[in-house]
Amino acid sequence: GAVVSQHPSWVICKSGTSVKIECRSLDFQATTMFWYRQFPKQSLMLMATSNEGSKATYEQGVEKDKFLINHASLTLSTLTVTSAHPEDSSFYICSAQKREGNNEQFFGPGTRLTVL
Amino acid sequence: KQEVTQIPAALSVPEGENLVLNCSFTDSAIYNLQWFRQDPGKGLTSLLLIQSSQREQTSGRLNASLDKSSGRSTLYIAASQPGDSATYLCAVDDYKLSFGAGTTVTVRA
Repeated sequence: GAVVSQHPSWVICKSGTSVKIECRSLDFQATTMFWYRQFPKQSLMLMATSNEGSKATYEQGVEKDKFLINHASLTLSTLTVTSAHPEDSSFYICSAQKREGNNEQFFGPGTRLTVL
Repeated sequence: KQEVTQIPAALSVPEGENLVLNCSFTDSAIYNLQWFRQDPGKGLTSLLLIQSSQREQTSGRLNASLDKSSGRSTLYIAASQPGDSATYLCAVDDYKLSFGAGTTVTVRA
């Protein structure tokens, strides 16, 4: 168990448009989900932490109006990149923690965003 | 702020050789430490999770040790195979995950 999916796996969009990425825990309930971004040949950087039913907590330097996070249910969190620009092109990865667990995070397969 | 360092940044070995990957972190007040594997353009595959109260974890050819007091963890991969070629990431959990930059491993057939 502990499978996390992301949709879409890749997306190409024009500058100025908004893109929504979904993160789902398929076989467990996730009270907390996390969003990371990864630039080429760099490590993962935490963007924000979201808890079901409450506002996300953003890391320093991450614009909350730019990266909208919604954790509407115990199995779904969404990240919307608003008014995307080429510098937002990156690999976005989500993870989820089980409601009852040992803090272990289970990661999705990632979404490659390319903004033209 | 937690800083995680992985050495070396890249490693190339012939098939069959044992691999030793190092991870160090600055703040020893952690819940756990995880090792992940990442293939190019893909997400993360969890390899081993060591709780702060544990000193090591083993899974098949993989063994990871944790020395919290000195802020170090080592991942050993025995009898490496070409399929082990990937980037290996170390992540420390001290209420949030902090990742190292990774060690990119190439195993030559």
